[in-house]
Amino acid sequence: LAKTTQPISMDSYEGQEVNITCSHNNIATNDYITWYQQFPSQGPRFIIQGYKTKVTNEVASLFIPADRKSSTLSLPRVSLSDTAVYYCLVGDPLWTGANNLFFGTGTRLTVIP
Amino acid sequence: DGGITQSPKYLFRKEGQNVTLSCEQNLNHDAMYWYRQDPGQGLRLIYYSQIVNDFQKGDIAEGYSVSREKKESFPLTVTSAQKNPTAFYLCASSSGRVQETQYFGPGTRLLVL
Repeated sequence: LAKTTQPISMDSYEGQEVNITCSHNNIATNDYITWYQQFPSQGPRFIIQGYKTKVTNEVASLFIPADRKSSTLSLPRVSLSDTAVYYCLVGDPLWTGANNLFFGTGTRLTVIP
Repeated sequence: DGGITQSPKYLFRKEGQNVTLSCEQNLNHDAMYWYRQDPGQGLRLIYYSQIVNDFQKGDIAEGYSVSREKKESFPLTVTSAQKNPTAFYLCASSSGRVQETQYFGPGTRLLVL
């Protein structure tokens, strides 16, 4: 079971780049890494997903080193609206049951004016 | 608009009462999920369903029951056996594979009178 470890909280000033790291030492060969964002009293929202190296979309980048035992979500130039909880999930794209659906406690990012 | 809906937004339960939370999706997704979130905590999986007429227990299924008679609907019943039901309940759906993006509903907040 590839569970994950993230920092409980982070603070950042507006306009800065924020990097949130997730550790997943037991990641399996077929596992993908997925990040979600959750605002208070709302359901989580998909941000980005990757398998190795680097993935970039319009909102974030995901860096995955060669050993894949960790990953880093990078948010460029954060704004106050990026204040949220960020979850890292690791799992196999082939259905193997509930073991892959582990959200953990996430990282609470607070953006400061 | 395509999406996933939950009702009601707030629900009050009396001692010994069963209550049912509604979840409907028009995304034509095969898989649906129920999560529970306690204040300041991450999401914990209650039940999931890969396909109609099939569902599996998650990490905290005791005191809950589900049904999946239609592809678009996955209601959750919180039974009187669930002694601490106060929480935020989130329903999600995905196309089928566990690492496919999960789309979440707006949530139902359940309170005990």
